[in-house]
Amino acid sequence: DIQMTQSPSSLSASVGDRATITCRASQGIRNDLGWYQQKPGKAPKRLIYAASTLESEVPSRFSGSGSGTEFTLTISSLQPEDFATYYCLQHNKFPLSFGGGTKVEIK
Amino acid sequence: EVQLLESGGGLVQPGGSLRLSCAASGFAFTNNWMIWVRQAPGKGLEWVGSIHPDGSEESYADSVKGRFTISRDNAKNSVFLQMDRLSVDDTAIYYCSISNRASHWGPGTLATVSP
Repeated sequence: DIQMTQSPSSLSASVGDRATITCRASQGIRNDLGWYQQKPGKAPKRLIYAASTLESEVPSRFSGSGSGTEFTLTISSLQPEDFATYYCLQHNKFPLSFGGGTKVEIK
Repeated sequence: EVQLLESGGGLVQPGGSLRLSCAASGFAFTNNWMIWVRQAPGKGLEWVGSIHPDGSEESYADSVKGRFTISRDNAKNSVFLQMDRLSVDDTAIYYCSISNRASHWGPGTLATVSP
């Protein structure tokens, strides 16, 4: 099974800061990875697919990179609405697997 | 507009069963895998299982294998999750989503397993 190790598990930042979240796969998954944002009481929303392709209507301050085993979600300048929990998901092989999540909090 | 709406959640005792439904619209349902994902209270996301577009193949997480069954009715654009032999550890919000890439999600339905 493919394990997705996501770090950090939480980060505290200010509006305007840059935030970087990493997911590491236990084996190569090509670019079969998505990034999701979840706000309290809401369903997850996909931000990025194929590791680096931004969903339409997602602000360009979000970006994704990586391939193989190392992946990064970057928020270039945190906005108040970006404080949420973020997850990665690999869909290269069954069983699908999520990272453990990163809670982005206001400093 | 893509829409997914889960239903069927509720309170059940350990050892009991629940059948969740997900009604889909706004996309080519018969061309897509459908998946179930769950989230226990205060925890992260956990993939539950997936079903092939024509229902010919399913895959499950080890934690539910042998107890949960995913099925679909392509004529009604619906996917189902039959959950048997439930335990308190199955308490979660259950989401359906489109494809193994989980592009769109429903709002979820809460299943609570408690004595």
